[in-house]
Amino acid sequence: DAKTTQPPSMDCAEGRAANLPCNHSTISGNEYVYWYRQIHSQGPQYIIHGLKNNETNEMASLIITEDRKSSTLILPHATLRDTAVYYCIVRPLNRDDKIIFGKGTRLHILP
Amino acid sequence: DTGVSQNPRHKITKRGQNVTFRCDPISEHNRLYWYRQTLGQGPEFLTYFQNEAQLEKSRLLSDRFSAERPKGSFSTLEIQRTEQGDSAMYLCASSLGGAYNQPQHFGDGTRLSIL
Repeated sequence: DAKTTQPPSMDCAEGRAANLPCNHSTISGNEYVYWYRQIHSQGPQYIIHGLKNNETNEMASLIITEDRKSSTLILPHATLRDTAVYYCIVRPLNRDDKIIFGKGTRLHILP
Repeated sequence: DTGVSQNPRHKITKRGQNVTFRCDPISEHNRLYWYRQTLGQGPEFLTYFQNEAQLEKSRLLSDRFSAERPKGSFSTLEIQRTEQGDSAMYLCASSLGGAYNQPQHFGDGTRLSIL
């Protein structure tokens, strides 16, 4: 079973920041937080991952709370193309095998 | 485009027929994964390879399913005697093994419809 909890859906106005929350209260010290998204009719796309420090790349920022029990993915200026299902995933540090997906958050960007 | 390639994109077949899907991973990636996704659900892990070795198989992978990666490059997933419940999107992903926590890169899947 997935070790994360996400809201089933969210709306965000185009041009605004989209903040997607994820709860992973049972995360272990050796587990990373990963985010993927899946646009309709496409495969999942890797966005970002982190262990305990905040991370930023060209797609998004990842904010992890100090106790590591929750995180937020931030899309700074959402566009219509960001409409997708966003998956928050926890993966062990020293393993490179399967990803266990939950149901994710369906993000609707509103024009 | 040098991403993960899957063929065919769509497959429609009658119940009881055999089907085979192909996945071509990113060229330098030695790990290859298969997932299945049904409507409204996240992808579910089926199996993965490191080079040509199949390292793990999910309980979802019944005896009718077989996956191969004979030369450690492309992979095939075969379903024998298809059933209605096999209708799903079959996703392939690859990653660079040997360094932990490498992200998996996914193809756009093969959508299987069983009539």
